[in-house]
Amino acid sequence: GAVVSQHPSRVICKSGTSVKIECRSLDFQATTMFWYRQFPKQSLMLMATSNEGSKATYEQGVEKDKFLINHASLTLSTLTVTSAHPEDSSFYICSAIRKRGSPDTQYFGPGTRLTVL
Amino acid sequence: AQSVAQPEDQVNVAEGNPLTVKCTYSVSGNPYLFWYVQYPNRGLQFLLKYITGDNLVKGSYGFEAEFNKSQTSFHLKKPSALVSDSALYFCAVRDKVYGQNFVFGPGTRLSVLP
Repeated sequence: GAVVSQHPSRVICKSGTSVKIECRSLDFQATTMFWYRQFPKQSLMLMATSNEGSKATYEQGVEKDKFLINHASLTLSTLTVTSAHPEDSSFYICSAIRKRGSPDTQYFGPGTRLTVL
Repeated sequence: AQSVAQPEDQVNVAEGNPLTVKCTYSVSGNPYLFWYVQYPNRGLQFLLKYITGDNLVKGSYGFEAEFNKSQTSFHLKKPSALVSDSALYFCAVRDKVYGQNFVFGPGTRLSVLP
């Protein structure tokens, strides 16, 4: 159990377009979902924390108008990269914490590789 | 503020030999500590965690880690490495009381040589 999926797994887009990435908890309800960004050969950088039905909390330095996060249900959170630019190219990973379960264990999605041309 | 250090970018070990991947941390209060493994172009997989209790924690795939409060360390170990253990390993910490979010270390790339 505790499977998290992300869609798409890979996306290539033109500069100036917007891209939506979905994160789903397939077999559990998630009270909280996290979005991370990972640069090549680097660690994960937390971008934002989202709770179902409320606004996301963004980390310092992350533009909330550029990285729109919607957590519409207990099983789905979306990250929209608006007006994407080449510097937004990265590996985006989401994670979720179970509603019923240890609040200290995050279950990670497989990641989405975004390439902006 | 929470922080995690993994002093080695790369660890090489021969198959069958014991392996250690080092992690030290800094938190204001008491820590929750985690190890995750990442395979190429994949998300992170949970290995083990320390919350409380026994300082030696056993996790998935034969890995274990020892919490050492005096040295603020949480090193990952395995008695006998496999080639399939080759991956990127991340240590993470969360402050039990003062921290909501997880802070990840920079990662250590483990290469197990046949």
